[in-house]
Amino acid sequence: GQQLNQSPQSMFIQEGEDVSMNCTSSSIFNTWLWYKQDPGEGPVLLIALYKAGELTSNGRLTAQFGITRKDSFLNISASIPSDVGIYFCAGLDPGRGSTLGRLYFGRGTQLTVWP
Amino acid sequence: IAGITQAPTSQILAAGRRMTLRCTQDMRHNAMYWYRQDLGLGLRLIHYSNTAGTTGKGEVPDGYSVSRANTDDFPLTLASAVPSQTSVYFCASSEWGRRTDTQYFGPGTRLTVL
Repeated sequence: GQQLNQSPQSMFIQEGEDVSMNCTSSSIFNTWLWYKQDPGEGPVLLIALYKAGELTSNGRLTAQFGITRKDSFLNISASIPSDVGIYFCAGLDPGRGSTLGRLYFGRGTQLTVWP
Repeated sequence: IAGITQAPTSQILAAGRRMTLRCTQDMRHNAMYWYRQDLGLGLRLIHYSNTAGTTGKGEVPDGYSVSRANTDDFPLTLASAVPSQTSVYFCASSEWGRRTDTQYFGPGTRLTVL
C-alpha cells in the first residue's frame, strides 16, 4: 500500500520550543489531515486541509497543504508538556465514482517535551 | 454524543478462537473503517464500508471479515485468530463523498492472541 514519508520519526524538545514536522508523498492528495494520538487512545483530528496552499491554524498548531499537493507540514509553537504524543499525517485519496477514497497514513512522529 | 465506541477495550485470546470486535457510531456517517496499528508500521486499513450493505478490502484484509447491516454498526470478525493478529484495532467513520470528508477514530481495542 501507499506510504507517506513522515519526518522526523521522533523529537525530544524542551518546553517552550517550537516544533516542526512534515510529510511527503509520491502521489497527489486532495486532503491532508493531521492527527494526534495519546497513549492508549485513538487518533484525534487536529487540523484538516482541503486546498493546495492552504494554511490553517488551530491554537498553537499551524499546518499547510503544499502547493504541489504532495506534502504538508505541521508546526507547534511554544510547546507544553501536554503536547507529548504521536503525531500522524494522513492524505486522502478521494477515489473515483463509487470507489471509496483511501486515507494513507505516515508512520508518525513521537514527540517528547521536557519541562 | 458518544461518537465512536468500540468493545471490548482489550482482550486476550487463544489462537484458533473466533473473535468479533464491535464498533458503533452515532454520527450517522455513511462510511466506516477498520485499521490495525502495529509498532513501526503506523495505521493500516483492514476493511471498509462506504455505505450500509457494502464492504471492501483494504490493505491487510486476510484473516478478517466485516459486515455492515446498518449505518451505525461495523463489526470486525477474526474467524480463527493467529498470533500475528496481535495488535491494536481502531474503528473509524466519515461522511464519505463530502468535500470535507475526514475520519474520526474510536478509542481502540487491544487484542493479544496467544
